[in-house]
Amino acid sequence: SQQGEEDPQALSIQEGENATMNCSYKTSINNLQWYRQNSGRGLVHLILIRSNEREKHSGRLRVTLDTSKKSSSLLITASRAADTASYFCATDADRPWIIQGAQKLVFGQGTRLTINP
Amino acid sequence: GAGVSQTPSNKVTEKGKYVELRCDPISGHTALYWYRQSLGQGPEFLIYFQGTGAADDSGLPNDRFFAVRPEGSVSTLKIQRTERGDSAVYLCASSPTGADTDTQYFGPGTRLTVL
Repeated sequence: SQQGEEDPQALSIQEGENATMNCSYKTSINNLQWYRQNSGRGLVHLILIRSNEREKHSGRLRVTLDTSKKSSSLLITASRAADTASYFCATDADRPWIIQGAQKLVFGQGTRLTINP
Repeated sequence: GAGVSQTPSNKVTEKGKYVELRCDPISGHTALYWYRQSLGQGPEFLIYFQGTGAADDSGLPNDRFFAVRPEGSVSTLKIQRTERGDSAVYLCASSPTGADTDTQYFGPGTRLTVL
């Protein structure tokens, strides 16, 4: 089962514009991560935000987290053609084995972002 | 350094056949994960290894699926009596310790097609 839901499912913008993607999740979390996937293959980790953080930046990426609304957003500023990809949010699943602390990721369905030159 | 590698990159098989998918994690990573991604969906967790042992196999869909990691490094995902519904991209990831703040590093995946 998938915990997160991304919105929108697809987004097409012009190069140079900002892109905003949203993610909602269902259960309590310890952290939330965003990944990028090109051409339906390997995922690349972008950023991790902990449940006690509200905002985090990495280069042109800005992530916010609202645990009261169980939602997160990913903003990509000054988009480039190379940003064209699918973007997924992932949360740590309920963990019955707290001592091990293993991070089983639960992904949303993703947002397909297209940057038009 | 080398990332996570998976072989083969593509596998086409016939319904009912047995397949093995291999994952080479980043050297020194103790945690290894398998995920499955169907077209248009996000990856879904299958199994997690900590060292040689399967710490969580709750995502394996049924007993036709099995995975091993005998020496705590390379892992093999094994699928018996394949069905058309098994067609998907199988992704492997590794992380240094499995801690919840670890980044999981993904391989390029194996695209499995069952005819």
